[in-house]
Amino acid sequence: AQSVTQLGSHVSVSEGALVLLRCNYSSSVPPYLFWYVQYPNQGLQLLLKYTSAATLVKGINGFEAEFKKSETSFHLTKPSAHMSDAAEYFCAVSDGGTGGFKTIFGAGTRLFVKA
Amino acid sequence: NAGVTQTPKFQVLKTGQSMTLQCAQDMNHNSMYWYRQDPGMGLRLIYYSASEGTTDKGEVPNGYNVSRLNKREFSLRLESAAPSQTSVYFCATQGLAGDEQYFGPGTRLTVT
Repeated sequence: AQSVTQLGSHVSVSEGALVLLRCNYSSSVPPYLFWYVQYPNQGLQLLLKYTSAATLVKGINGFEAEFKKSETSFHLTKPSAHMSDAAEYFCAVSDGGTGGFKTIFGAGTRLFVKA
Repeated sequence: NAGVTQTPKFQVLKTGQSMTLQCAQDMNHNSMYWYRQDPGMGLRLIYYSASEGTTDKGEVPNGYNVSRLNKREFSLRLESAAPSQTSVYFCATQGLAGDEQYFGPGTRLTVT
């Protein structure tokens, strides 16, 4: 069975500092992995996705994530935080359809950016 | 090109009342989903539809029913609302297996 664990329900960084949001997954088949962002009162939107083409994935707004199979991790990073990055971030895993197209979402990490 | 739309945006119900949440998409996607979002619990899948004419239960289906009216529309019905169903409900679509999902703006439901 698939599962996703996001370490830390809240992360606070200063503007200009490194952003690191942690995600570990479990999957019985090679997974598809995603990071989504949710701004207040909005739906989720895709930041980036891993689909086995490359282990380092670049997304929108300067975010990137690295797939590490040995660590079953897919941590999200951004070198320099901006105030506009304050939002909730969700890691998600999908088995690509073998489980009926289902995607499992982590509990979310809320990012706070201090001026 | 509206993407994924949901109606209503907000709703307040009394315990025992019924209502239907509507979702429509113009992305020509086969798969559609209903999630609920509660603080600290991420998104939990209620029901999904892999294609027109099929629906399947997700993680938390109790108290809900769905209808995939056609390829564009996927509705979620609460027959007898309970306070435990107070939540934000999101509809999402997906093109192919392994693709990302596209979300609607959500419906904020309060049951008193």
